[in-house]
Amino acid sequence: DTGVSQNPRHKITKRGQNVTFRCDPISEHNRLYWYRQTLGQGPEFLTYFQNEAQLEKSRLLSDRFSAERPKGSFSTLEIQRTEQGDSAMYLCASSLGTGDYNEQFFGPGTRLTVL
Amino acid sequence: AQSVTQLDSQVPVFEEAPVELRCNYSSSVSVYLFWYVQYPNQGLQLLLKYLSGSTLVESINGFEAEFNKSQTSFHLRKPSVHISDTAEYFCAVRNAGGTSYGKLTFGQGTILTVHP
Repeated sequence: DTGVSQNPRHKITKRGQNVTFRCDPISEHNRLYWYRQTLGQGPEFLTYFQNEAQLEKSRLLSDRFSAERPKGSFSTLEIQRTEQGDSAMYLCASSLGTGDYNEQFFGPGTRLTVL
Repeated sequence: AQSVTQLDSQVPVFEEAPVELRCNYSSSVSVYLFWYVQYPNQGLQLLLKYLSGSTLVESINGFEAEFNKSQTSFHLRKPSVHISDTAEYFCAVRNAGGTSYGKLTFGQGTILTVHP
């Protein structure tokens, strides 16, 4: 399978715990995006990487959230001191940025439930 | 800032009936427009896109959408739906041109349910 993969697919945690999600983009895709999708809403942009550089962060990304892409390949999204409002589907997408328009390919998402 | 409004949260139709899913957007700059589909337990998939040129764009499975700049709309249509079209559909926009990193702004989604 050469698509975008995300792990874990589901995560249940207690309020106050830290969680980390992983995204493996399509090989050689230099652009990577994180989105969050809450129930009944469309995905909302969180952050963007071009290779290993984090070039844009949404105001939705509070201080408790941190994302990395250390070698320009896979990416991790960590949430510290989780809150019930963090319960959502976290989506990762990647694209090959060689021109103006580059299709984003989405992974299946990680569903987070904070109890 | 950009925004996307999908006017219907749920659209139930019978098989072989026509359907229209409505999408309006707001943006101060030129945009690219997209429709994504999400089948149950699957990731988002690009259905069709408008970048430039002909304002009518088509997908391989019979959907079409028309970009209407004056009405800032990008409605999705299909003349005859199938049970397999049951899914959630998202309209999305992004800035056109090289100054954007390509981040997408999505609408709230429309759940299309096709009944036999």
